[in-house]
Amino acid sequence: AQTVTQSQPEMSVQEAETVTLSCTYDTSENNYYLFWYKQPPSRQMILVIRQEAYKQQNATENRFSVNFQKAAKSFSLKISDSQLGDTAMYFCAFMKHVRGQNFVFGPGTRLSVLP
Amino acid sequence: NAGVTQTPKFQVLKTGQSMTLQCAQDMNHEYMSWYRQDPGMGLRLIHYSVGAGITDQGEVPNGYNVSRSTTEDFPLRLLSAAPSQTSVYFCASSNLLLGVGSPLHFGNGTRLTVT
Repeated sequence: AQTVTQSQPEMSVQEAETVTLSCTYDTSENNYYLFWYKQPPSRQMILVIRQEAYKQQNATENRFSVNFQKAAKSFSLKISDSQLGDTAMYFCAFMKHVRGQNFVFGPGTRLSVLP
Repeated sequence: NAGVTQTPKFQVLKTGQSMTLQCAQDMNHEYMSWYRQDPGMGLRLIHYSVGAGITDQGEVPNGYNVSRSTTEDFPLRLLSAAPSQTSVYFCASSNLLLGVGSPLHFGNGTRLTVT
């Protein structure tokens, strides 16, 4: 079974600074997908970024980028120029490359952006 | 486009009561799922469905039932509520026609308290 670990339960960063959230996973699969979801205080779950394991290029979405290290099974999220609206829980998730396959989520990291 | 709609937003039950959490999506997604979110544990899969008439158990199915009579609806039934079922519940769907790796689209969650 796949497991996803997020070793930082809580983090804080000053506004406009850069922060990196870590995620590691355990799998024997070669093809899979990785995701970061954001959950602000509104409780809504919002997709931040998606990475395909067979693509070596790291995914980016505006201020959000990932450092995907397949051999190390590591998938960290970098937030540049942090904004107050980035304050949220961040969940890392894994999905096997199988149609209809379920997601496995990590325990989450609570990020606070300080003014 | 409403996306994934969950009702109610909040619910308080007494131990032993039963209830149904409603979930509807208007995106014609084949895949639908229910998660519960507990502090420090991320999101854990309760039940899922890859199409009308097809359901299967996830990681934590005990005490819950689901059915999928239409593509749009995927209700979650609590048979006899217990305090251990106090949690935030999320319904999520994804479009399998887009291929493997389609992201999950979430409802806004239901906060359930069992006293």
